[in-house]
Amino acid sequence: GAVVSQHPSWVICKSGTSVKIECRSLDFQATTMFWYRQFPKQSLMLMATSNEGSKATYEQGVEKDKFLINHASLTLSTLTVTSAHPEDSSFYICSARTSGRTDTQYFGPGTRLTVL
Amino acid sequence: RKEVEQDPGPFNVPEGATVAFNCTYSNSASQSFFWYRQDCRKEPKLLMSVYSSGNEDGRFTAQLNRASQYISLLIRDSKLSDSATYLCVVNSPGFQKLVFGTGTRLLVSP
Repeated sequence: GAVVSQHPSWVICKSGTSVKIECRSLDFQATTMFWYRQFPKQSLMLMATSNEGSKATYEQGVEKDKFLINHASLTLSTLTVTSAHPEDSSFYICSARTSGRTDTQYFGPGTRLTVL
Repeated sequence: RKEVEQDPGPFNVPEGATVAFNCTYSNSASQSFFWYRQDCRKEPKLLMSVYSSGNEDGRFTAQLNRASQYISLLIRDSKLSDSATYLCVVNSPGFQKLVFGTGTRLLVSP
């Protein structure tokens, strides 16, 4: 099956610093990648949709200048949390979708971010 | 009204029990439906897609009622390893994105 990796799996940083999370599709080309955030005991909330070579589409309420998304190749998307604050602490999960399967998304293992 | 609603549970059942989860969705134009399983502190994993005619995969049976906008998941002969949160997922028509319910937590005890 399709494999998606994320790096790092967890990160602890100081308030005010920026953190970059990578999402890679290992054995397929991902024309679209999605970034989700999940707070404890809540469901996944879509933050943004990223299509290779174009700007990401952000969901309502998600600050595009704070959560920078780059999808420069068909196998890599990055999410950078800029000037992180404790309220940004969460579980960030990416998923990837191929062009032929419009609804099936393959999820990465997630990145747990803790901002002190 | 939430786009996808689930009973959060938890459902506490003994091994071998049959348990059913329900889910309702608000957008009648939705075309794709899924059940995902999520273990604690892990990513969601696709359990099964849900088809209009209903479908079965081993001990798991999924049903879809489009008229009522209702989806169900039945787990027979529960195993300890079935303990997890089960997420009802529906596509958002026109936007090609998935909408997740808050999940139903299942605890299977010996």
